[in-house]
Amino acid sequence: VELLESGGGLVRRGESQRLSCVGSGFRFNILFMGWVRRAPGKGLEWVASVSGSGSNTYYADSVRGRFTISRVNSENTVYLQMDSLRVEDTATYYCVKGDEEGPTAGDSFDHWGLGTQVAVSS
Amino acid sequence: SSVLTQPASVSVAPGQTATITCSGDKVRNKFVHWYRVKTGQAPVLVVYDDSDRPSGIPERISASHSGDPATLIIKRAEAGDEADYYCQVWDSSADQWLFGGGTKLAVL
Repeated sequence: VELLESGGGLVRRGESQRLSCVGSGFRFNILFMGWVRRAPGKGLEWVASVSGSGSNTYYADSVRGRFTISRVNSENTVYLQMDSLRVEDTATYYCVKGDEEGPTAGDSFDHWGLGTQVAVSS
Repeated sequence: SSVLTQPASVSVAPGQTATITCSGDKVRNKFVHWYRVKTGQAPVLVVYDDSDRPSGIPERISASHSGDPATLIIKRAEAGDEADYYCQVWDSSADQWLFGGGTKLAVL
């Protein structure tokens, strides 16, 4: 199993950024995928999740209405479109894969990518 | 502050047993998962569904959950266990994941 994130970098407050995560080594199209972030000096914070088909999406209150999670199963890719970025969105963003016990929204995250850093300046 | 409460830090002597708790209303009647985050590394799942271990996680790492709190147990602690540990719960009433605030484990 491998999860490879890309798309991080430095942006200004109010701007947009799109993160990508390509998965391999597992049945991508049936498993939940998601994003978790960790701000500097802070703990883990779940951001968003999407069902295997892409038809069901879930968001943390802190990003709902600003971030959009989506996936293209034919490309084994999950995206996180981040709009109206805030300084407090600065973090390392991890792509996560739901385990194969379900698949359900409550499946644990059994594999994590190495993360991509997003920095939002004021 | 997190809805799931963990101690900020736990210290354990090498070879002894460390316990990390995760408490809160949302812990009851939910599966609890646990993650380990070592400095500079991506998080790793160490326990899922209250007490199951993924392949590659040693048996000396275990967990229990009956009501509140849930507990992560690390027996025969060693220096390599030093990390931040997080509990996680799926809140089905809100369709959101919850993480605890994290516990820094020191093996002294």
